[in-house]
Amino acid sequence: SQTIHQWPATLVQPVGSPLSLECTVEGTSNPNLYWYRQAAGRGLQLLFYSVGIGQISSEVPQNLSASRPQDRQFILSSKKLLLSDSGFYLCAWSPRARSDFNYGYTFGSGTRLTVV
Amino acid sequence: QKEVEQNSGPLSVPEGAIASLNCTYSDRGSQSFFWYRQYSGKSPELIMSIYSNGDKEDGRFTAQLNKASQYVSLLIRDSQPSDSATYLCATTGGFKTIFGAGTRLFVKA
Repeated sequence: SQTIHQWPATLVQPVGSPLSLECTVEGTSNPNLYWYRQAAGRGLQLLFYSVGIGQISSEVPQNLSASRPQDRQFILSSKKLLLSDSGFYLCAWSPRARSDFNYGYTFGSGTRLTVV
Repeated sequence: QKEVEQNSGPLSVPEGAIASLNCTYSDRGSQSFFWYRQYSGKSPELIMSIYSNGDKEDGRFTAQLNKASQYVSLLIRDSQPSDSATYLCATTGGFKTIFGAGTRLFVKA
């Protein structure tokens, strides 16, 4: 069966510090991978998605970046965190499908980031 | 801008009642429609998907889709306290899924 791992679960970082969140998927190949952020009491905001190794699409211009160095690994990074980067970060995967169809997402357990 | 609108709630129903959650979307090109359940402090979990007009039933859950009205709903029969959560409606057009902000549901024992 497929599983998705995301770590760390919680993180408290000072303003201006770097960030690296990692997500890995097991039990599938060529998944579509996504990073979402959920601010307190708010909906899910799509940050990045990837349909293959090295292929990253950015949805929100900001001080975050994403990379996909391996087929089942997705990394979210920042060189300098802002207070506004606080939130619940969620990695998700979906099976590869044609562009007009989607099977739905499986989410990781999330990382709760607090920038202080 | 593509949007998914939901009533934020909270929606409160007694145990054993039917909970009805509603959602409208703006993108007529949407092809896939989903309901996710999110418990407080946890990540969302996919509970229903629907792709064509009409009803789709899975256990106590029924999803309803009306593409002409751009309307999606979720019915939860025999509601249980364990159903208390935030329910997110989502639509997909292309590779991206747009989520609503969610409806909070409370089921009173």
